Amino acid sequence: SQTIHQWPATLVQPVGSPLSLECTVEGTSNPNLYWYRQAAGRGLQLLFYSVGIGQISSEVPQNLSASRPQDRQFILSSKKLLLSDSGFYLCAWRDFGMGEAFFGQGTRLTVV
Amino acid sequence: EDKVVQSPLSLVVHEGDTVTLNCSYEVTNFRSLLWYKQEKKAPTFLFMLTSSGIEKKSGRLSSILDKKELFSILNITATQTGDSAIYLCAVEAGYGGATNKLIFGTGTLLAVQP
Repeated sequence: SQTIHQWPATLVQPVGSPLSLECTVEGTSNPNLYWYRQAAGRGLQLLFYSVGIGQISSEVPQNLSASRPQDRQFILSSKKLLLSDSGFYLCAWRDFGMGEAFFGQGTRLTVV
Repeated sequence: EDKVVQSPLSLVVHEGDTVTLNCSYEVTNFRSLLWYKQEKKAPTFLFMLTSSGIEKKSGRLSSILDKKELFSILNITATQTGDSAIYLCAVEAGYGGATNKLIFGTGTLLAVQP
């Protein structure tokens, strides 16, 4: 069966520090991978999605970047965090870009 | 620009009430519409709808899609406190295969009081 791992669960970082959030999927090959951000009590904003290794599509201009160095690994990064980067970050995967998306448990990032 | 809008943004009801949550969309190349429930962390899948007028049902929850008017509704009957959550609507859009995007709406925060 497929599983998705996302870490860390919580993170407190100072303004201007770098960021690296990691997401890995097991039990499937060539999944579509997604990074979303969620404000408190609100919907999910699509940040990046990837259909294959090294292929990244950015949905919103911002201070973040994403990379996919391996088939089942998706990384969200920043060189210098801003206060506005605070939020709940969710990684998700889908088979061949179809059907339902499966989510990780999320990372709550607080930039102070 | 692809857009998915949910209403209301938040809702407070009492146990036993029936609620209707709305989702409207404007996307290029609609493929399907999905509903999720999010209680604490990871959203959990409820329904996927691809055809107009065909109701999907699971227990007290049901959903239907209208592709002509570009909206979907999620109904919850005889609500319970355990139904309290954020309900998310998502639309799959694209030209097929791996390039399809999954765009989420603004969410509806439902609180069911005892």
